[in-house]
Amino acid sequence: DAGVIQSPRHEVTEMGQEVTLRCKPISGHDYLFWYRQTMMRGLELLIYFNNNVPIDDSGMPEDRFSAKMPNASFSTLKIQPSEPRDSAVYFCASSRRETQYFGPGTRLLVL
Amino acid sequence: AQTVTQSQPEMSVQEAETVTLSCTYDTSESDYYLFWYKQPPSRQMILVIRQEAYKQQNATENRFSVNFQKAAKSFSLKISDSQLGDAAMYFCAYRSGNYGGSQGNLIFGKGTKLSVKP
Repeated sequence: DAGVIQSPRHEVTEMGQEVTLRCKPISGHDYLFWYRQTMMRGLELLIYFNNNVPIDDSGMPEDRFSAKMPNASFSTLKIQPSEPRDSAVYFCASSRRETQYFGPGTRLLVL
Repeated sequence: AQTVTQSQPEMSVQEAETVTLSCTYDTSESDYYLFWYKQPPSRQMILVIRQEAYKQQNATENRFSVNFQKAAKSFSLKISDSQLGDAAMYFCAYRSGNYGGSQGNLIFGKGTKLSVKP
């Protein structure tokens, strides 16, 4: 299996621009998670889905962030408009039961 | 609410030696899972080992083993014959054994940075 796939791997954008991060989970996994990692706050769960349905989005920082999972093979995390404080590594992870497998992450820099 | 505590922000070990990373957790649940993840400088989060709370036997994966003390709520990771490639941030994580509602997420400790000296 190819593992969890994320794109892009690196993104540099200017403040105010829209950013879309993409994730393809491992085939057969029914849970999908989005995390953010910064030096100051560590690893934070933003949102997770079960069978394409959002279960817990309490970690989404504000309305500028939105996430969708239109089908079992694809999810997006969108930031609009982006701000410098959104700079972080964003991870997608998937699981079939309790064990989560992480993608390589997207390193986002907002100037 | 469940919490995970890693009390050692940094650890160091000599190559080929053994090192133990500590993790304690707090929960009122009896069914849960515990994990150790490794994050090398590449930032990739790699699963090292997992433990089911209902299993008394400690999990082992090659040079990595855990000491799971359920009553003490302790879950330490032992790395034997340390190698330069073991240098990384190590995160301890907890997951509820329940699958309903918002129980599906991992709760992470703050991590322990392991250095390996040649």
